[in-house]
Amino acid sequence: EAGVTQSPTHLIKTRGQQVTLRCSPISGHTSVYWYQQALGLGLQFLLWYDEGEERNRGNFPPRFSGRQFPNYSSELNVNALELEDSALYLCASRRGPSELFFGSGTQLSVL
Amino acid sequence: KQEVTQIPAALSVPEGENLVLNCSFTDSAIYNLQWFRQDPGKGLTSLLLIQSSQREQTSGRLNASLDKSSGRSTLYIAASQPGDSATYLCAVSGDNYGQNFVFGPGTRLSVLP
Repeated sequence: EAGVTQSPTHLIKTRGQQVTLRCSPISGHTSVYWYQQALGLGLQFLLWYDEGEERNRGNFPPRFSGRQFPNYSSELNVNALELEDSALYLCASRRGPSELFFGSGTQLSVL
Repeated sequence: KQEVTQIPAALSVPEGENLVLNCSFTDSAIYNLQWFRQDPGKGLTSLLLIQSSQREQTSGRLNASLDKSSGRSTLYIAASQPGDSATYLCAVSGDNYGQNFVFGPGTRLSVLP
């Protein structure tokens, strides 16, 4: 069974650009979570999607947005990139209140 | 608001030692608690999940305990190996938080050969 997959693995952008990160959850998982982890810092909760709806949002500006598709895959969009957006972006999935599984992440560098 | 802390922040031990990592949470109304490890620049790998009704879980050299009433969990690693070097994070999930997870800051473990 495939795990949580994220694409791309690495990304380099310049300030002001827009980026889209993708996540495919484990088959049967309906909840997708997005986290940001800046270098040397802890996990910061971004967004939680379940059954196609946004259920909760962390303390991030509106230029961070996303969606979940009918097949439960998800996209994270970041507009007007800033230098401090450079981080590892992690996606996780689970079905209901069960074990949480993470993908390998997308390393975003903003120059 | 749930808060999760982990002690110690960093730990360095010689190979072969048994060790204990600690996790504390402020609100005992949790649904489950999960331990993860993270290697530098990588995603998180699930180690153990403890449901709120359980007292402990074991997987190989790892044993995690949960004392919900006191808001504590410990991760015991037996006979540590250099390959165990990583950051270990605990996370709690509760219905009060819309099934959201709250993560601790992690314990950075170094096992020296």
